[in-house]
Amino acid sequence: AQKVTQAQTEISVVEKEDVTLDCVYETRDTTYYLFWYKQPPSGELVFLIRRNSFDEQNEISGRYSWNFQKSTSSFNFTITASQVVDSAVYFCALSHFVSNFGNEKLTFGTGTRLTIIP
Amino acid sequence: DAGVIQSPRHEVTEMGQEVTLRCKPISGHDYLFWYRQTMMRGLELLIYFNNNVPIDDSGMPEDRFSAKMPNASFSTLKIQPSEPRDSAVYFCASSWLGQPNTEAFFGQGTRLTVV
Repeated sequence: AQKVTQAQTEISVVEKEDVTLDCVYETRDTTYYLFWYKQPPSGELVFLIRRNSFDEQNEISGRYSWNFQKSTSSFNFTITASQVVDSAVYFCALSHFVSNFGNEKLTFGTGTRLTIIP
Repeated sequence: DAGVIQSPRHEVTEMGQEVTLRCKPISGHDYLFWYRQTMMRGLELLIYFNNNVPIDDSGMPEDRFSAKMPNASFSTLKIQPSEPRDSAVYFCASSWLGQPNTEAFFGQGTRLTVV
């Protein structure tokens, strides 16, 4: 069985502070993918990043960075110099690798509601 | 491309009525997913299709729920009869098997309220 745990239900930080959102996962698959999605107040789900289980390099995209550590089954997300527009619910997700189809059958965490205070 | 289009955006219906949610995936995508989001259970996969064929419907809660994909550009999720506990946001997503596990693109969701 697959599981994604986002222990932080809600986080509030003052604008320009850095913030890290935690994600811990469980899977028996040797091949899998991890994702982060953003859900702004408007409600849609916006894709942020995909990382496969063979690539443990950290990734940086502008103010966003991701730390994947297979040894601790974690895929944490850091926002540097946070802005009010970063306020949203952030979901970590794990894809179940289904042979032949191989596409994401996503298992989502419960999300972290991030509020950036001006 | 306009992205994944879902209709209606909001639906309020009375218990016992039939509800049909609609989805138009991104052109060229060969996977289509239906997810449900509730406060209690978060985001759950209900069913997904590959090339219009249902592949896994193990997430469909019960027989009152059914989904179809008559062609590559249209899918429906039907609830008959609806119950208050079906109130949720229903998301449709599509993706392309260009490489394994490419990201899914989500529609804006349909907020269903059953009273």
